[in-house]
Amino acid sequence: KAGVTQTPRYLIKTRGQQVTLSCSPISGHRSVSWYQQTPGQGLQFLFEYFSETQRNKGNFPGRFSGRQFSNSRSEMNVSTLELGDSALYLCASSSWAPREANEKLFFGSGTQLSVL
Amino acid sequence: ELKVEQNPLFLSMQEGKNYTIYCNYSTTSDRLYWYRQDPGKSLESLFVLLSNGAVKQEGRLMASLDTKARLSTLHITAAVHDLSATYFCAVDNPLRMNRDDKIIFGKGTRLHILP
Repeated sequence: KAGVTQTPRYLIKTRGQQVTLSCSPISGHRSVSWYQQTPGQGLQFLFEYFSETQRNKGNFPGRFSGRQFSNSRSEMNVSTLELGDSALYLCASSSWAPREANEKLFFGSGTQLSVL
Repeated sequence: ELKVEQNPLFLSMQEGKNYTIYCNYSTTSDRLYWYRQDPGKSLESLFVLLSNGAVKQEGRLMASLDTKARLSTLHITAAVHDLSATYFCAVDNPLRMNRDDKIIFGKGTRLHILP
């Protein structure tokens, strides 16, 4: 069974640009969540989708947005990039919304975004 | 505001020894997670703890939860070099307002096991 796939693996952008990251969950999984990891702030929760609906979101500005498609694949978009957006962005999937089940999350390898 | 504190943040230990990582959180929560991250790699889910007194074990790792003390522990028994990694705990934020429901992570404990 294929794991969670994130693309691209590495990305370099400049300030002011926008970026879209992609996440394909494990087949059959309907819940996808996104996280940002930086050396300074550590791991922070971005948002969570289940069946194409955003169920929860973290404390990030509106420049960060996401969506989930009918096949459970998810995209995350960051507009007007800032230097501080440089981070490892991780996506995780589970078969049900993790808050309602005793389920582990399965993480992708992440997208390393560098903003110059 | 929910805060999650792990200690120690760095730990170097000899193979064969036992040790415990602590995770304290500031507000009542009904769900606590432990994750492992190897350098340059993604996160691996280890345990999900849901109730007071919950104890889960896998191999040389055992996690427990005391919701009254707002404390979870990750105990390592007879450590081996392969367990060297960074371990994170994370807690569900019980304040659920307008769908702003966050998972809060600790800063992680970097564990280095010397052969």
